[in-house]
Amino acid sequence: AQSVTQLGSHVSVSEGALVLLRCNYSSSVPPYLFWYVQYPNQGLQLLLKYTSAATLVKGINGFEAEFKKSETSFHLTKPSAHMSDAAEYFCAVRNTGTASKLTFGTGTRLQVTL
Amino acid sequence: NAGVTQTPKFQVLKTGQSMTLQCAQDMNHEYMSWYRQDPGMGLRLIHYSVGAGITDQGEVPNGYNVSRSTTEDFPLRLLSAAPSQTSVYFCASTLTSYEQYFGPGTRLTVT
Repeated sequence: AQSVTQLGSHVSVSEGALVLLRCNYSSSVPPYLFWYVQYPNQGLQLLLKYTSAATLVKGINGFEAEFKKSETSFHLTKPSAHMSDAAEYFCAVRNTGTASKLTFGTGTRLQVTL
Repeated sequence: NAGVTQTPKFQVLKTGQSMTLQCAQDMNHEYMSWYRQDPGMGLRLIHYSVGAGITDQGEVPNGYNVSRSTTEDFPLRLLSAAPSQTSVYFCASTLTSYEQYFGPGTRLTVT
């Protein structure tokens, strides 16, 4: 079965600094990987997705992620953090066999300070 | 186009009570899912459906029932609420493999 591991439950960066949120996956087949963002008291919004096309994926709000098979990683980055980026971020992998099933990581809460 | 809607937004139940969380989507998506979100555990799949009349269990199905009589609706029933079911519940739908659309969530407290 596929799974993802997010390293670091809390990450704090200064405004303008690089954002790096880590996600490693485990999958016996080429995975479909996703990053979702959740703002306080809201549902989840898709940031970006990897579906075996380009390994560097660009998403919304200036985020991007690079799929590295050799490292089984799909880390999320943004060159310059903004206060509005403060939220919880979830990495997820789609389970084989059905589009209905996503397995989520435990989440990383991003804090952005002045 | 409302997307995925969930009702109610908040609910407080006493132990042993039953209730139904409603989920509807107007995007004609075949696939629908229910997740629960608990602190430090991410989202975990409760039940899912690949089309009207077809449902299956996810990772944490105990204490919950679902049915899918129409493409649009996918209600989640709590049979006899327990404090361990205190959580935030999200419904999601998708047409393809690539993106799930999430509802705004239902915050449930069981006392």
